[in-house]
Amino acid sequence: DAKTTQPNSMESNEEEPVHLPCNHSTISGTDYIHWYRQLPSQGPEYVIHGLTSNVNNRMASLAIAEDRKSSTLILHRATLRDAAVYYCILRIQGAQKLVFGQGTRLTINP
Amino acid sequence: GAGVSQTPSNKVTEKGKYVELRCDPISGHTALYWYRQSLGQGPEFLIYFQGTGAADDSGLPNDRFFAVRPEGSVSTLKIQRTERGDSAMYLCASSLLGGGQETQYFGPGTRLLVL
Repeated sequence: DAKTTQPNSMESNEEEPVHLPCNHSTISGTDYIHWYRQLPSQGPEYVIHGLTSNVNNRMASLAIAEDRKSSTLILHRATLRDAAVYYCILRIQGAQKLVFGQGTRLTINP
Repeated sequence: GAGVSQTPSNKVTEKGKYVELRCDPISGHTALYWYRQSLGQGPEFLIYFQGTGAADDSGLPNDRFFAVRPEGSVSTLKIQRTERGDSAMYLCASSLLGGGQETQYFGPGTRLLVL
């Protein structure tokens, strides 16, 4: 499985944008980039995914570098409820299991 | 609608005992997954069911771990002769068909403590 690298932790302020980086220099052409997050005392939840183009949904935006070796999850206006561990995952086409790294622990200051 | 549920939410047992952890997936989801999460780590894949059959059990750590899904809905993860190292959060997830880039929906987990 291709590997992802994320900072261990990040901190931001409420109502400000947050940019969570992920490096995946060994990504292959068929790997999709998925993001899940895990709020305290809960199971992970899906945030967003993409292949080549930038993606937006109600939760976040995903910006993918042109060479696909890195991506950034963008929370446009963080709230206290966004405090969680964010996982960047590479998933090949048809892959069933999710391979989690250690993720980035995001702290939001009021 | 109802999400993935797991019971019990917490389980304390003694070394050497047998435990069963239950997962109720989202109704209609044919794919079911078990993961294990140690403190401070990301979840690790254990096993994947497509319907009643285990399509991938490559993550089961040893033969003390076994999982079933006899009717293609509820699944039970069974751990024999528990060891202190089995202490972890056990997470279950389900997805509609199991293919492509489907979202996996996770339950709240069962926290297992082996004394």
